[in-house]
Amino acid sequence: EAGVAQSPRYKIIEKRQSVAFWCNPISGHATLYWYQQILGQGPKLLIQFQNNGVVDDSQLPKDRFSAERLKGVDSTLKIQPAKLEDSAVYLCASSSSLWGQGSGAQYFGPGTRLLVL
Amino acid sequence: GENVEQHPSTLSVQEGDSAVIKCTYSDSASNYFPWYKQELGKGPQLIIDIRSNVGEKKDQRIAVTLNKTAKHFSLHITETQPEDSAVYFCAATLKAAGNKLTFGGGTRVLVKP
Repeated sequence: EAGVAQSPRYKIIEKRQSVAFWCNPISGHATLYWYQQILGQGPKLLIQFQNNGVVDDSQLPKDRFSAERLKGVDSTLKIQPAKLEDSAVYLCASSSSLWGQGSGAQYFGPGTRLLVL
Repeated sequence: GENVEQHPSTLSVQEGDSAVIKCTYSDSASNYFPWYKQELGKGPQLIIDIRSNVGEKKDQRIAVTLNKTAKHFSLHITETQPEDSAVYFCAATLKAAGNKLTFGGGTRVLVKP
């Protein structure tokens, strides 16, 4: 079974530019998560989708970050405009269930490493 | 919301010895506790998890214990090997919060040959 796919793996941009990240979850996983991981810290949830609907975006800086999952499969996360403090690893994860039903285990992709100069 | 504290932040062990990482959580309603291993340049990899209705779970050299009364859970790695060197994260989640994971700060484990 293929894992969570993310692209690009690395991105370097200048502040005030825009950037987009792509995620393809494990086949059949209805729940998709985007996390931000700053160097030396644990991942922090940005947004959670169930199919194509947003479940939780309370930690998403909505003035500059946006995310969508239009067909309930792939997802994109965008930052516009980027700030220096956005330098981090952006991780995508997926799980087969929501609300703690069944396994609920989250599986992570390799991440996109963003450096904002 | 949930808060997860993880200790120690770094751990150095001799190959063959055991390693123990401890986490405490704040919300007594938390019901799922996974552990992740993250190697340099990679995403977190789920290595073991435990639910609130179980006190202990083992998988080969890895075990997790949960004390609901004290609100803490621990990861035990026995017979450590150099390939166990990585950063380990504990996490906790609330069923009522839509399976949202809150992570600890991580433990950098170094296994010396």
